[in-house]
Amino acid sequence: EVQLVQSGAELKKPGESLKIFCKASGYSFRSQWIGWVRQMPGKGLEWMGMIYPDDSDTKYSQSFQGQFTISVDKYINTIYLQWNSLKASDTAMYYCARFHVGYFDFWGQGTLVTVSS
Amino acid sequence: DIQMTQSPSSLSASLGDRVTITCQASQDISKYLNWYQQKPGKAPKLLIYDASYVETGVPSRFSGSGSGTDFTLTISSLQPEDVATYYCQRYDNVPSFTFGPGTKVDIK
Repeated sequence: EVQLVQSGAELKKPGESLKIFCKASGYSFRSQWIGWVRQMPGKGLEWMGMIYPDDSDTKYSQSFQGQFTISVDKYINTIYLQWNSLKASDTAMYYCARFHVGYFDFWGQGTLVTVSS
Repeated sequence: DIQMTQSPSSLSASLGDRVTITCQASQDISKYLNWYQQKPGKAPKLLIYDASYVETGVPSRFSGSGSGTDFTLTISSLQPEDVATYYCQRYDNVPSFTFGPGTKVDIK
């Protein structure tokens, strides 16, 4: 059974750094792209970027370029989303999702990130 | 950039009604269009991929159609558990993925 389990909710202050994770199981992790999707409060879904675990090839949405980093540890089947300096506008729910031939077929439960002073 | 629009933005229908949601792309996207269902407080769930293929485990009352710029998601007989927001999503090989703004469905 494919499972994507994400880290818990975070409350941070503007300017702080943060790294959240998504741990995958139940499939061949290294050979399938997996990415992140943002959902701001009360808003729609936005694709942020994705990574291929076997060689760490990473693709970012042009809408988000440079605002965060996606990384992977293929030895523990885990991907990460990292910010160096959070802003209030980063407040959102973040979902990881496995990419399969054009669509996202499995999703994590979401990680709520709240950035507030 | 290819833009995606959905209509209506929300709808209220009675149990058993046939519900149709449309998604339009600003350029021809062939069949590269997927549909997701997001229930309140939950992660999105894939319903339809490549415009018309129903994902395994999705009830048969859900169907998709269309190609090019105009696509449709149909719920043949609305059920209480279908209360959700529905998103279309296009993709290409850049890769680039764009979601529509969503259609909120509830029961009248």
